[in-house]
Amino acid sequence: GQNIDQPTEMTATEGAIVQINCTYQTSGFNGLFWYQQHAGEAPTFLSYNVLDGLEEKGRFSSFLSRSKGYSYLLLKELQMKDSASYLCAVRDSNAGNMLTFGGGTRLMVKP
Amino acid sequence: DTGVSQDPRHKITKRGQNVTFRCDPISEHNRLYWYRQTLGQGPEFLTYFQNEAQLEKSRLLSDRFSAERPKGSFSTLEIQRTEQGDSAMYLCASSLPGSSYNEQFFGPGTRLTVL
Repeated sequence: GQNIDQPTEMTATEGAIVQINCTYQTSGFNGLFWYQQHAGEAPTFLSYNVLDGLEEKGRFSSFLSRSKGYSYLLLKELQMKDSASYLCAVRDSNAGNMLTFGGGTRLMVKP
Repeated sequence: DTGVSQDPRHKITKRGQNVTFRCDPISEHNRLYWYRQTLGQGPEFLTYFQNEAQLEKSRLLSDRFSAERPKGSFSTLEIQRTEQGDSAMYLCASSLPGSSYNEQFFGPGTRLTVL
């Protein structure tokens, strides 16, 4: 089976930097995804890591350490519109390459 | 590219009734996935198709649930004899193996309320 943990809620200030952590346990790791989901909307793809290290895309960066079963999503220069849930998902090659999602981290950005 | 579409967006039904949802994936995406999401939780995998073949089914998918993708394009998810515990958002996603990240693109979901 798989186990994915991430904090339930976080609060940060507009303009600041926030790091959302995700730890996972899986038998056939084949990539980790971060999705953003605004309330009542579909998840949208943010980033993908399959090798160790940092992937940067504009204000968003994602880091992966496979040996530690750990990833984080870093959001810089926070904007009010970044208030959303952030979902960590792991793909498992031993499970048909399906995605298993964590419970999501609800981020609230305050002025 | 019109994205993944789902119909209906909302469904209210009485306990014991049958409901059917439709998903139209992004054209050329040969993989299609169904998830269920309850409030404050991440999506939970239900089943997926590669073309018309249903390759994987979660233990969450009880005998009351059935999914089809008869021509390898759109898919339907039917829930028979609905129960209040079936109330959730039902999300569909599609992907194209071999693309850059093979990421899944999600539709807007169908919100089911069972009274």
